[in-house]
Amino acid sequence: EVQLLESGGGLVQPGGSLRLSCATSGFTFYNYALNWVRQPPGKGLEWVSSISGAAGATYYADSVKGRFAVSKDNSNNTLYLQMNSLRAEDTAVYYCAKAMVDMATGTDLDFWGQGTLVTVSS
Amino acid sequence: SFELTQPPSVSVSPGQTATITCSGDNLGDKYACWYQQKPGQSPVLVLYQDNKRPSGIPERFSGSNSGNTAKLTISGTQAMDEADYFCQAWDSSSAGVFGGGTKLTVL
Repeated sequence: EVQLLESGGGLVQPGGSLRLSCATSGFTFYNYALNWVRQPPGKGLEWVSSISGAAGATYYADSVKGRFAVSKDNSNNTLYLQMNSLRAEDTAVYYCAKAMVDMATGTDLDFWGQGTLVTVSS
Repeated sequence: SFELTQPPSVSVSPGQTATITCSGDNLGDKYACWYQQKPGQSPVLVLYQDNKRPSGIPERFSGSNSGNTAKLTISGTQAMDEADYFCQAWDSSSAGVFGGGTKLTVL
């Protein structure tokens, strides 16, 4: 059974940093791309970033480029999102999602975690 | 920039057919997918590559994508189908793009 479990969310001040983790199981980690998608409270979904499985190629939304960094650890099947220079508009539930194939872009997301809430506020 | 536009809401009577549209420039040249999200839950993929159903998704869910519009059709809509639905595609710069979402009400 595919499982993704996010952690690391919380309250952070504007300008601060936070690192999210996504522990995965039930699939061969390095054979699939992984994504971060966020959802502000009461609003729609926004794609944030993706990373390919084998090559580790990374992609970012313009809204987070230069502030966020996605990475992964194949030895413990975990995806990360380092978030720096956080802003109020980054407040959202952050989901990690598995892609259907090892393509960081252009594919569909077939399994999602339960999400972790990040609140940026003073 | 590439954008996807969905109607904010769609209403349907139980047993009838619901159609949710997703519009974007030359969307038909790309693959579109659809996610269902119920209150307090994570999104669930219901259609991928325009019209393919993942395992476990009922046959009443179908899709099409041509020109500038992708469509999600739910035949014989049931109360359990009441949810928010989001379309998604990828733009030419390899960024993911979601539609704003459509709230489907079954009444």
